[in-house]
Amino acid sequence: QKEVEQDPGPLSVPEGAIVSLNCTYSNSAFQYFMWYRQYSRKGPELLMYTYSSGNKEDGRFTAQVDKSSKYISLFIRDSQPSDSATYLCAMSGGGGANSKLTFGKGITLSVRP
Amino acid sequence: NAGVTQTPKFQVLKTGQSMTLQCAQDMNHEYMSWYRQDPGMGLRLIHYSVGAGITDQGEVPNGYNVSRSTTEDFPLRLLSAAPSQTSVYFCASSSFPPRGGYTGELFFGEGSRLTVL
Repeated sequence: QKEVEQDPGPLSVPEGAIVSLNCTYSNSAFQYFMWYRQYSRKGPELLMYTYSSGNKEDGRFTAQVDKSSKYISLFIRDSQPSDSATYLCAMSGGGGANSKLTFGKGITLSVRP
Repeated sequence: NAGVTQTPKFQVLKTGQSMTLQCAQDMNHEYMSWYRQDPGMGLRLIHYSVGAGITDQGEVPNGYNVSRSTTEDFPLRLLSAAPSQTSVYFCASSSFPPRGGYTGELFFGEGSRLTVL
């Protein structure tokens, strides 16, 4: 079992839909949870960052972490065509110094006008 | 506001050739890293550095070499290219060396697309 699993997609939704993107993980030492967004032919950029369990909201985006279930989610409200991109979850924590970021494989989202 | 700059953006190599992918950042970041991104495999860490003169291996280091002589530059060398090294390569940097788990926000370059024939 890989440390981080992410639904492979792709996912296509109409404009205005609520989108739910999810990742599961197996390493209970993960404490830092991030979502990166990657537009086509660009590098990933940090979208949301959460430490430990709980919710974090930023505009139309909400990140949720449930450490008891080892499950994280990214919700996008009122999705827009400009949200069309690949979304990667990423996690780190534990393992002492030089702990590294572990990425999910990414899911490609397409928002149809 | 350059951020992380990668060159070249595209490269085609023949099997057995060597080459260097360049990465430079102007944010005075201590931490720099190289990833490769393949369909269905996600981002995989090749090598990383927590400061000038310090490098270490990531998940998939075989066939690649790195050095860090300055804070700004972190080149990735392919010693003898193989078709399995066809990929998109990303350089990333952050102001936080990974300590206790938090890497800090990673800033990525736009990628270098390599094809090995």
